[in-house]
Amino acid sequence: AQSVTQPDIHITVSEGASLELRCNYSYGATPYLFWYVQSPGQGLQLLLKYFSGDTLVQGIKGFEAEFKRSQSSFNLRKPSVHWSDAAEYFCALQGAQKLVFGQGTRLTINP
Amino acid sequence: KAGVTQTPRYLIKTRGQQVTLSCSPISGHRSVSWYQQTPGQGLQFLFEYFSETQRNKGNFPGRFSGRQFSNSRSEMNVSTLELGDSALYLCASSLGRGGGIADTQYFGPGTRLTVL
Repeated sequence: AQSVTQPDIHITVSEGASLELRCNYSYGATPYLFWYVQSPGQGLQLLLKYFSGDTLVQGIKGFEAEFKRSQSSFNLRKPSVHWSDAAEYFCALQGAQKLVFGQGTRLTINP
Repeated sequence: KAGVTQTPRYLIKTRGQQVTLSCSPISGHRSVSWYQQTPGQGLQFLFEYFSETQRNKGNFPGRFSGRQFSNSRSEMNVSTLELGDSALYLCASSLGRGGGIADTQYFGPGTRLTVL
């Protein structure tokens, strides 16, 4: 069975501080992993993806994520957050012709 | 290149009615997937269409159905609406590589369905 777990439902950070959102997965085959961001009332925007190769992947808006097979993790990071980063973030795993999503992490930014 | 479009953006229906939602994929994409998003259940996969055929289906009742046209546009239909069907319905398109090959899904803005 395939599953994605995002342990943190809600995270608050100060503007300018660093950010790390956690994602753990369970999948028996090679995982294809994604991070999406959703602003209120909007669809999902792709931030970055990991298919193979370099385990540190760069995405849009200054985000990066590191794939660690030994820990079954794909954590999202940003060195300095901006108020516009406030949103909900979803980690996803590509299964057979479908995406399996984590429950999401809501990010709040303190000014 | 234009993104995924969904119409309508908002819908209000009453219990027992039926509804049809529409999705136009990115040009050149042949796969369309549908997801339901609710606060309680999160994002759940409904079904996927590729070349006018349903290729995969999630765990939803038969009231939820879909189809895909030759131009890859897709519709989903929900019959006999229930209060619990209130949700954001998201459509995503991809190249549709299948066979376990990595494929990226791009999402539309969603249709917000409210059932009264």
